[in-house]
Amino acid sequence: GNSVTQMEGPVTLSEEAFLTINCTYTATGYPSLFWYVQYPGEGLQLLLKATKADDKGSNKGFEATYRKETTSFHLEKGSVQVSDSAVYFCALSSAGTYKYIFGTGTRLKVLA
Amino acid sequence: KAGVTQTPRYLIKTRGQQVTLSCSPISGHRSVSWYQQTPGQGLQFLFEYFSETQRNKGNFPGRFSGRQFSNSRSEMNVSTLELGDSALYLCASSLVAGESHEQYFGPGTRLTVT
Repeated sequence: GNSVTQMEGPVTLSEEAFLTINCTYTATGYPSLFWYVQYPGEGLQLLLKATKADDKGSNKGFEATYRKETTSFHLEKGSVQVSDSAVYFCALSSAGTYKYIFGTGTRLKVLA
Repeated sequence: KAGVTQTPRYLIKTRGQQVTLSCSPISGHRSVSWYQQTPGQGLQFLFEYFSETQRNKGNFPGRFSGRQFSNSRSEMNVSTLELGDSALYLCASSLVAGESHEQYFGPGTRLTVT
């Protein structure tokens, strides 16, 4: 079945450091891929998405590229801020399934 | 445009009781999905509704049920509550069905079963 694997957290970085959170997936066909962020006490917010191979999603300085050959969708940001501290979830959705499959989430803590 | 709203935000119930959670999607959104979030299992899909029809269901016991009304509002019900049902229940809405359409999440209902 379809699945999403994320790197274990927590990830602790200093402000202005480079961020990478790895995400790989297993799916038949060509799923759509998403990154969501969850701040404490809140629901999930869509950060970015990509719907086909080689698409790059980007938002608020974050970006991720849909790599079909490596079945990956790694999240990157060039310079993190304290306000980026949150839990990040990678997710996929496949045609006809009407559901999203989420990774386990990666907690990011950014220190001033 | 108002976001996804969920009521109540917090709930404390006793084992064996039942509970109903409510979700109002973003205006115009016709697809509503429910997820259970726990520290141990992460986010797990419960079910998805579109135009009052359940189109997919996750791997949960029959104690978990849901429905969608003609105005797209949705409810989920859990009967005979168990301690393990304590979780954050998230509702998400989407404009239409389809894998490329992003879901918008509500703040969740925190259910505690004692």
